[in-house]
Amino acid sequence: DIVMTQTPLSLSVTPGQPASISCKSSQSLLYSDGKTYLSWYLQKPGQPPHLLIYEVSSRFSGVPDRFSGSGSGTDFTLTISRVEAEDVGVYFCMHSLQLPPTFGPGTKVDI
Amino acid sequence: QVQLVESGGGLVKPGGSLRLSCAASGFSFTDYHMGWFRQAPGKGLEWVSYLSSRSSIIYYADSVKGRFTISRDNAKNSLYLQMNSLRAEDTAVYYCARDGSKGTGWFFNHWGQGILVTVSS
Repeated sequence: DIVMTQTPLSLSVTPGQPASISCKSSQSLLYSDGKTYLSWYLQKPGQPPHLLIYEVSSRFSGVPDRFSGSGSGTDFTLTISRVEAEDVGVYFCMHSLQLPPTFGPGTKVDI
Repeated sequence: QVQLVESGGGLVKPGGSLRLSCAASGFSFTDYHMGWFRQAPGKGLEWVSYLSSRSSIIYYADSVKGRFTISRDNAKNSLYLQMNSLRAEDTAVYYCARDGSKGTGWFFNHWGQGILVTVSS
């Protein structure tokens, strides 16, 4: 199985300031079709996860543009350009290159 | 709008069975692949199973293979997870989710609220 790691595991942020989360995979997530299958989810307290970013950098519909994803191969980053109070929760990266899809351990973000 | 609503969870003894349902609305259910995930209390996310739109492709996590069965009824806009031989380690909130991909490079763009399954004597 591909192992996903995230750093940091906990992050205290200041509203209006940028924040970034790193996600690393144990092998490259580049598929033979040229796409890289890494997505990011946010799970707010008491809620299900919701999709932020797919295929490394494609923002899902309705996701604020302060969220951006970058990276390639095995190293990926989720960046929040200016954190807002509503961004608190646990952020997970997930690969879907092969079975089984696996998640990172999560990064808890609080204000 | 897209809605996914799980039901059928609850308390069950080890070795028992439960059938989870996920009622879908707000989109053409027949056109989308679906998945089940779970999250043990205070833990991270784990993929459980995946079913293609026409039920031709089915995958399971090794942890549930042979015990869980995923299915769907497109006429009823519903996804199911039959869980047999339940173990304490199956205790979790179970989520159904819609795959936004075309079948390669899954990403799940809509999730249900989740349903708690507790396996305990």
